[in-house]
Amino acid sequence: EDQVTQSPEALRLQEGESSSLNCSYTVSGLRGLFWYRQDPGKGPEFLFTLYSAGEEKEKERLKATLTKKESFLHITAPKPEDSATYLCAVHRSGAGSYQLTFGKGTKLSVIP
Amino acid sequence: GAGVSQTPSNKVTEKGKYVELRCDPISGHTALYWYRQSLGQGPEFLIYFQGTGAADDSGLPNDRFFAVRPEGSVSTLKIQRTERGDSAVYLCASSPRGLLSSGSLGDTQYFGPGTRLTVL
Repeated sequence: EDQVTQSPEALRLQEGESSSLNCSYTVSGLRGLFWYRQDPGKGPEFLFTLYSAGEEKEKERLKATLTKKESFLHITAPKPEDSATYLCAVHRSGAGSYQLTFGKGTKLSVIP
Repeated sequence: GAGVSQTPSNKVTEKGKYVELRCDPISGHTALYWYRQSLGQGPEFLIYFQGTGAADDSGLPNDRFFAVRPEGSVSTLKIQRTERGDSAVYLCASSPRGLLSSGSLGDTQYFGPGTRLTVL
């Protein structure tokens, strides 16, 4: 069974204080790992897809990295508008596999 | 362009009633997914459509849940004899193709805003 564990559950940062969110996964063959951002009362908003260990992707203050067992979402000099819940999800490779398996998310609060 | 839309945004119903939740995917997207999200949890997969057919309905919790996509565009999730445990946010997502497309960078699932279902 695919498992995704995100840590910490919640993180409070001062504006400008860089940090990382962790996503550990267990899957029988990784097709892709996805990062989403979710604001309260809204649906998840796509951020990144990573496919192989060593891959990195960046978008503004965010950088996602991938190893064979985990992914990190690095936030550099965060701003209050980066406050949201960040979700990690995996897609298992193989025929008949369509769903994403999500973690519970990390709730990030950036304090001015 | 327009994103995924879902109606209603909120639905309050009584235990035992029947409800329908609607999803309008991004135009041209052939793959459509339904997920359910409880408070403090990540979304959980319910069903996947490729075109008009349900390619994977393994996430539907029981036979009270059913979904259709008759013309390969709009989808309706139907819940019979609702129970209090059905209360959650129901999310719909679409992608240009299914996640199994080979040779591509992968198919991102774009989510709608969700329907918050409350069963009293």
